Amino acid sequence: GEDVEQSLFLSVREGDSSVINCTYTDSSSTYLYWYKQEPGAGLQLLTYIFSNMDMKQDQRLTVLLNKKDKHLSLRIADTQTGDSAIYFCAESKGGGYQKVTFGTGTKLQVIP
Amino acid sequence: KAGVTQTPRYLIKTRGQQVTLSCSPISGHRSVSWYQQTPGQGLQFLFEYFSETQRNKGNFPGRFSGRQFSNSRSEMNVSTLELGDSALYLCASSLIAGGRVTGELFFGEGSRLTVL
Repeated sequence: GEDVEQSLFLSVREGDSSVINCTYTDSSSTYLYWYKQEPGAGLQLLTYIFSNMDMKQDQRLTVLLNKKDKHLSLRIADTQTGDSAIYFCAESKGGGYQKVTFGTGTKLQVIP
Repeated sequence: KAGVTQTPRYLIKTRGQQVTLSCSPISGHRSVSWYQQTPGQGLQFLFEYFSETQRNKGNFPGRFSGRQFSNSRSEMNVSTLELGDSALYLCASSLIAGGRVTGELFFGEGSRLTVL
């Protein structure tokens, strides 16, 4: 079955880069996502990448996908205190059925 | 455009009771998914509905059920509540375009259930 794993906690200094890592087990995953959850709120999609891509960049965010190792990472450049949140990696097979499997979430703490 | 609306936001129940949670998706979104979020288990998929039909179901006991109405609004019900059902229940809607999944889930703020 599908399984997505992440480290639980990451602490960085403001202005540094943050790298959040994720591994998944299902080789048939088609879409891989990064969601952000701020305190007291639902999840918000940050970015996603198709499995046939290696990298995707969107302003301060860079997503790297190593499909062979089933490893996904999210790099946040120039991390700000407003980036403090829980970041979830997720995967789905796409197609006609919408079932998204989420990782446990990584809590990012940005130290001023 | 209004986002996903979940009601109630907070509720307290006692063991053995039952609860119904409501979700109104973004206008035009026909797929509605439900997730349970707890500190220990993270986000667990409950079920997904599309056009009033349940298409996917997670590994939860039969006490957890749901339905979707013709206007795409969805409800989930938990019967015979247990202490372990205390959680944040998140609803998410998504746009199915031309029969294909676009991939993005739009989440509500959740209904926080406390079972005493």
